[in-house]
Amino acid sequence: GQQVMQIPQYQHVQEGEDFTTYCNSSTTLSNIQWYKQRPGGHPVFLIQLVKSGEVKKQKRLTFQFGEAKKNSSLHITATQTTDVGTYFCAAFSGGYNKLIFGAGTRLAVHP
Amino acid sequence: NAGVTQTPKFRVLKTGQSMTLLCAQDMNHEYMYWYRQDPGMGLRLIHYSVGEGTTAKGEVPDGYNVSRLKKQNFLLGLESAAPSQTSVYFCASSGPGPRGQHFGDGTRLSIL
Repeated sequence: GQQVMQIPQYQHVQEGEDFTTYCNSSTTLSNIQWYKQRPGGHPVFLIQLVKSGEVKKQKRLTFQFGEAKKNSSLHITATQTTDVGTYFCAAFSGGYNKLIFGAGTRLAVHP
Repeated sequence: NAGVTQTPKFRVLKTGQSMTLLCAQDMNHEYMYWYRQDPGMGLRLIHYSVGEGTTAKGEVPDGYNVSRLKKQNFLLGLESAAPSQTSVYFCASSGPGPRGQHFGDGTRLSIL
């Protein structure tokens, strides 16, 4: 079945540094979603990318969808302690009923 | 607006016991989902429903059953709990089509 691989699994940064997580698939994706899960919390939907080469921004977060629609990235500029959590990418498999999640990238931010 | 509500929040079971996890949403969403989350493995889909009275299997359905008798509720049942089912269970809902999912706060289930 379809899989999405995320790297890195874990990253710690100093507050103010940038952070990037990558999501890769061996197959072409119809679209990709990103979620954030705070420690002890539940996943929260951030954004969905649909178009080839699409770039979307939410304040300090920049989301990109690759030209071939096989990869995506989330970049955080000047991290803050509020950015701590695990970031997941997710892609639909076999229609729009089933989301397949990557294993996530856990971000730690040291003040 | 409560969104997605899961009950209970915590539960400890003995091997072989049964239980039902309840998920309720007040957003009139058609689609509902049950996931389990284990360390380092992200979220894995157990079962899902695309409407009242319908259910379908996800990635890891074995050992679980579900029912969607009312649009707003989605129940996850464990008939005979096993230690391998120790996990955090999340319910989610969404509108039809490629939309973001709204998650509940989760149920932490331990099976001894």
